[in-house]
Amino acid sequence: DAGVIQSPRHEVTEMGQEVTLRCKPISGHDYLFWYRQTMMRGLELLIYFNNNVPIDDSGMPEDRFSAKMPNASFSTLKIQPSEPRDSAVYFCASSFGWGNTGELFFGEGSRLTVL
Amino acid sequence: GQNIDQPTEMTATEGAIVQINCTYQTSGFNGLFWYQQHAGEAPTFLSYNVLDGLEEKGRFSSFLSRSKGYSYLLLKELQMKDSASYLCAVRPFNNNDMRFGAGTRLTVKP
Repeated sequence: DAGVIQSPRHEVTEMGQEVTLRCKPISGHDYLFWYRQTMMRGLELLIYFNNNVPIDDSGMPEDRFSAKMPNASFSTLKIQPSEPRDSAVYFCASSFGWGNTGELFFGEGSRLTVL
Repeated sequence: GQNIDQPTEMTATEGAIVQINCTYQTSGFNGLFWYQQHAGEAPTFLSYNVLDGLEEKGRFSSFLSRSKGYSYLLLKELQMKDSASYLCAVRPFNNNDMRFGAGTRLTVKP
């Protein structure tokens, strides 16, 4: 398996622009997570899905952030409008639940810089 | 709420042993994980504990005490490539939600 695939790997944008980050989880995994990592706050859980259904979005900072999972092999995280404080590395991770340790498999991350 | 604490930085010498501690206070407990993250890379899974005691995997071991809300990661025969951040994570509920500590940056010196 190719692992969790994220795109883009790097994005530089200007404040106010819309940003869309994409993720393809490992085939067969039923959980998908979006995390954000910064030096100040570490790795923060934004939202996670189980079988394409959002379970907990309490970590989403504000209404500017939205996430979707239209099918088992694709998810997006959208920021509109973007702000400089959104600059971070955004990781997507997937896992297989029940009867398993449930370890997370992370993608390579999308490094976002908002100017 | 969830509170996971670990030291910010540690330094050790090549060939030595280092212990990285993690304490947690979470609203539930369904497993504790350790991940390794090299600079600029994604975290990768190292170990999993759900019952009290020591789990050994090669040079790495992880210990858990649920009553004390405490875990440690033990790295033996340190190598330069072990220089990385080590993240303690807790799965608080009976699902796959996982919360991470801020990480411990380990520097291995010759």
